[in-house]
Amino acid sequence: QSALTQPASVSGSPGQSITISCTGTSSDIGTYNYVSWYQQHPGKVPKLIIYDVTRRPSGVSDRFSGSRSDYTASLTISGLQAEDEADYYCTSYTTSRTLVLGPGTKVTVL
Amino acid sequence: QLQLQESGPGLVKPSETLSLTCTVSGDSINWGSHYWGWIRQPPGKGLEWIATVYQTERTYYNPSLKSRVTISVDSPKNQFSLRLSSVTAADTAVFYCARQDYDGNSHWYFDVWGRGTLVTVSS
Repeated sequence: QSALTQPASVSGSPGQSITISCTGTSSDIGTYNYVSWYQQHPGKVPKLIIYDVTRRPSGVSDRFSGSRSDYTASLTISGLQAEDEADYYCTSYTTSRTLVLGPGTKVTVL
Repeated sequence: QLQLQESGPGLVKPSETLSLTCTVSGDSINWGSHYWGWIRQPPGKGLEWIATVYQTERTYYNPSLKSRVTISVDSPKNQFSLRLSSVTAADTAVFYCARQDYDGNSHWYFDVWGRGTLVTVSS
C-alpha cells in the first residue's frame, strides 16, 4: 500500500488560517470517510484531533476542521496560535482492511 | 479513566524477536466495540501503523510488516501484545499502543494512546 501524500511543511502567521492536504487514492480516501488527523508536539504522544473526516473529539478546539473532496482530505486550522506549532499526520482506512498514514506535515507559526 | 501502558525490553539484539505488552486499565479489552492497535515511530521520523486486534477474533496487519508481526489479546490480564521477529536496526522506534474507539461508523482512529516505549535494536 502506498503512503498518503502530505506537504512537508506549512506555515502561517498568528490569527491566519492554514490548510494541510492529504492525498490518497481510490483505495483509501477516495472510498471511505475514515480519515483521521493527529497532532504531535515534539517529544509528546500523538493526539487525535479529527476522525471520520469531519468529526472532532470532545475537548478539541473548533479551530480545527476537516473535509474531503475526491481523493484528498484536508485539515484546516483557523485562528492560528503559537500552540498549534506541531507535526500533523493524516490516516485513512483502505480497501485492503488496513490503515495507511501520511508522512506528516510540520506546521510553523511565524 | 482509561489508561494504556506499554512494557517490554528497551534493547533487543538484531535477528531476535521484539515482544511488547500493553496493559489496559479503566476499560475492558473485551468490550464489544473497541479495537486495539500498535503504532511505531522511528527517531525523528513519522508514525507507522503496525497492527490492530479485535478481541481474539480479528487481526489486521500492515502489509509491509505482516510476515514478521503477531498481535494478540490476553483477556484475563486485560492486555494485548505485539511480537516482531527478525528485527534489525531499522526497527528501532518508539512503540505506542492505542485504543480504537467505535462511533457507530468506524473503528479506524486512535482516541487514547499509551505514553510509548523506546525499543532500540542493537548488539
